[in-house]
Amino acid sequence: DGGITQSPKYLFRKEGQNVTLSCEQNLNHDAMYWYRQDPGQGLRLIYYSQIVNDFQKGDIAEGYSVSREKKESFPLTVTSAQKNPTAFYLCASSIIRDYNEQFFGPGTRLTVL
Amino acid sequence: KNEVEQSPQNLTAQEGEFITINCSYSVGISALHWLQQHPGGGIVSLFMLSSGKKKHGRLIATINIQEKHSSLHITASHPRDSAVYICAALFQGAQKLVFGQGTRLTINP
Repeated sequence: DGGITQSPKYLFRKEGQNVTLSCEQNLNHDAMYWYRQDPGQGLRLIYYSQIVNDFQKGDIAEGYSVSREKKESFPLTVTSAQKNPTAFYLCASSIIRDYNEQFFGPGTRLTVL
Repeated sequence: KNEVEQSPQNLTAQEGEFITINCSYSVGISALHWLQQHPGGGIVSLFMLSSGKKKHGRLIATINIQEKHSSLHITASHPRDSAVYICAALFQGAQKLVFGQGTRLTINP
């Protein structure tokens, strides 16, 4: 079955530690995205990538880093520089075309203690 | 500025009621998406439209380009429709979606 997987579903880390969230897709999509969701707020774009080895900052990139070494994979690292990392993180992918219909993974809930 | 506003933020109704969720956006768009987020957090795409109306089962999405407004309707609502509904706009010339804050719908039996 084609789809997007994110792991783990729940993640706990101590303050000051970097943590990497996994996102894999087998839909053969060129574009991949990372979003952050906080209670009562809309999804906010962290980073996106439209091609392997290239990515762009979204609206809230500070404190995060990404890589896109393979078309299928777009891991997100939450660094210790991110002031308020506890949130729900969603990965998505899409074909690059006018309408940008995105398919979402199940999400990872990160809690920093 | 590219903005998307949804209303209401929260909506509680009884099973069987007709539901309407509204979405307004600030400037011209290429496409408008309606998404459903289940209590576990997973998001599924319901509709993508740039004009007119689309229907899928009990769900209907409409868009009025001149008024910069879209609505999502649910007929004969059921408790399993309880979820957060999100609209997202792809503004003309942009590469990224802009999301509304979501509408939390609760359908009581």
